[in-house]
Amino acid sequence: SAVISQKPSRDICQRGTSLTIQCQVDSQVTMMFWYRQQPGQSLTLIATANQGSEATYESGFVIDKFPISRPNLTFSTLTVSNMSPEDSSIYLCSVTSGTRKYFGPGTRLTVT
Amino acid sequence: GIQVEQSPPDLILQEGANSTLRCNFSDSVNNLQWFHQNPWGQLINLFYIPSGTKQNGRLSATTVATERYSLLYISSSQTTDSGVYFCAVLDNYGQNFVFGPGTRLSVLP
Repeated sequence: SAVISQKPSRDICQRGTSLTIQCQVDSQVTMMFWYRQQPGQSLTLIATANQGSEATYESGFVIDKFPISRPNLTFSTLTVSNMSPEDSSIYLCSVTSGTRKYFGPGTRLTVT
Repeated sequence: GIQVEQSPPDLILQEGANSTLRCNFSDSVNNLQWFHQNPWGQLINLFYIPSGTKQNGRLSATTVATERYSLLYISSSQTTDSGVYFCAVLDNYGQNFVFGPGTRLSVLP
């Protein structure tokens, strides 16, 4: 299994600002995944972060809006840049351990 | 890409009742998992079940891979079972999980 922590757990931000979300895993993993969950919706993959290389972004998500860092095998950050109210969502960090997928507790972001 | 559907979208139960949640997927899969998202947003991995049947307490799951569906059974439901249940399958490239839209369960005392 894997234990994942995220900071902050929630935040209220003003339009036009940026927020960096941190994700820490209790074991070394090759890939870390960032998801967005808009209110009342399912999970959508933003990007996959590999240590030592550029993140791979899914269709509809770009690096300028969601820059990701992956400095080592247990840590990653996701920045939500130039925020608008449409960015209000839960952002979740995830890893795969063995055959199973695990999630952090999420960061609940509200943009006003 | 692979498509995942879940039914019903919403379910309301009285405490103690049983329920069955369904997940249909459009292509063969090697990895299927069920998750419970509690009202606070935390996602808990319930089952890894690409085929066959597994049980964990009051919960059990069955996947019939040849017919491309999986079922999650909840027996003697409790209010703490409330939340959203997601089915997720690994895509054909084996890299990313595709999530279904979820079933929102409300268990009333």
